[in-house]
Amino acid sequence: SQQGEEDPQALSIQEGENATMNCSYKTSINNLQWYRQNSGRGLVHLILIRSNEREKHSGRLRVTLDTSKKSSSLLITASRAADTASYFCATDKGQGAQKLVFGQGTRLTINP
Amino acid sequence: GAVVSQHPSWVICKSGTSVKIECRSLDFQATTMFWYRQFPKQSLMLMATSNEGSKATYEQGVEKDKFLINHASLTLSTLTVTSAHPEDSSFYICSAREGFGRAWLSNEQFFGPGTRLTVL
Repeated sequence: SQQGEEDPQALSIQEGENATMNCSYKTSINNLQWYRQNSGRGLVHLILIRSNEREKHSGRLRVTLDTSKKSSSLLITASRAADTASYFCATDKGQGAQKLVFGQGTRLTINP
Repeated sequence: GAVVSQHPSWVICKSGTSVKIECRSLDFQATTMFWYRQFPKQSLMLMATSNEGSKATYEQGVEKDKFLINHASLTLSTLTVTSAHPEDSSFYICSAREGFGRAWLSNEQFFGPGTRLTVL
């Protein structure tokens, strides 16, 4: 079963706007990762945030993590048409566990 | 760095045949590789975890005799779908985890581009 649940399932915005996607999880984690997947392609690692971190930036990406609420958000600023893709969060429970548990994903469409 | 390749990128086969998919880490040694399947517009479902030189660990509900996994070297894992049927049609993705270092500590996984299997 998938631990992560993402919200919204689909998001459509205009180019230049900001896009925010949320991810919730159920158990304690070691870290949380965000991935992007273009249609029919593999996953591209975007950013990893550790359980002791609250916010992380990478270019136009900003990720927050609230371990008390067991949730994370991914913000893409100044969106571009090329950002159109599915975005997945994945959690790692740590303690030697290697498996990543993926959320259901958010399908993001950027309209030109 | 940290590139993972898969071969083939797509395959069409007849029902009843077996199909082998290769996953290679091109510029690092992967002690652990993971195999996922993904149905259209759905998330990735982990099928199995393979560690170099040992038997794969399958997730609940995944038939080990149906999906044979071999991780014979630190750079290659193979998934063989035996006696494929139309319901096995899916997108199969592998990922690899480096054996040491920062990426290993953070459990960062590097994904292949996927293999689309269509069984007629």
